[in-house]
Amino acid sequence: DIQMTQSPSSVSASVGDRVTITCRASQDISSWLAWYQQKPGKAPKLLIYAASSLKSGVPSRFSGSGSGTDFTLTISSLQPEDFAAYYCQQANSFPITFGQGTRLEIK
Amino acid sequence: QVQLQESGPGLLKPSETLSLTCTVSGGSTSSHYWNWIRQPPGKGLEWIGYIYYTGSTKYNPSLKSRVTMSLDTSKNQFSLHLSSVTAADTAVYYCARRVVVPLQRDDSFDLWGQGTMVTVSS
Repeated sequence: DIQMTQSPSSVSASVGDRVTITCRASQDISSWLAWYQQKPGKAPKLLIYAASSLKSGVPSRFSGSGSGTDFTLTISSLQPEDFAAYYCQQANSFPITFGQGTRLEIK
Repeated sequence: QVQLQESGPGLLKPSETLSLTCTVSGGSTSSHYWNWIRQPPGKGLEWIGYIYYTGSTKYNPSLKSRVTMSLDTSKNQFSLHLSSVTAADTAVYYCARRVVVPLQRDDSFDLWGQGTMVTVSS
């Protein structure tokens, strides 16, 4: 199985801050990577697919980059509604696997 | 718009079979990959498997011996059966639609149900 490792596991930030979350794959996954946001008690929501493509309707302050084994999700200017957990997911090979998650908390 | 909704028992005893159904409204199960994903309390996401609209399936090897998925296109429903459950199967179970666009390297879960909590306890 491909292991997906996110860092940090949690981060505290303030409204307006720029935040970057990293996801590392245990082997080359090309650009087969997606990012999700999950708020407490809710289902995950797709933000980014194909490593850097923004899903329609997702605010442009979210961006993704990377290929191969190293990927990043950046939120350019944090808004109050962005405080949530974030997960990366690979689909280069089965089984599909997710990172362990990054919790973004208010400072 | 297309919506997914899980249904099924919320409490099971060890060794019983977990059976959940996902109903797709506002759309059809006659295309796409239909998936089950679970999340133990306070933990991350685990992909269980999918059933394609043709009826073909693929399961996570970690659960393969206990998982069966089925599809009823006439009712726009797909189901998950997980046998011989233990406390380790306690989780929120989500159904989700998987979109695959190879030329764009897009393979992601674009629609999710709200999730249903399943607890295994004697």
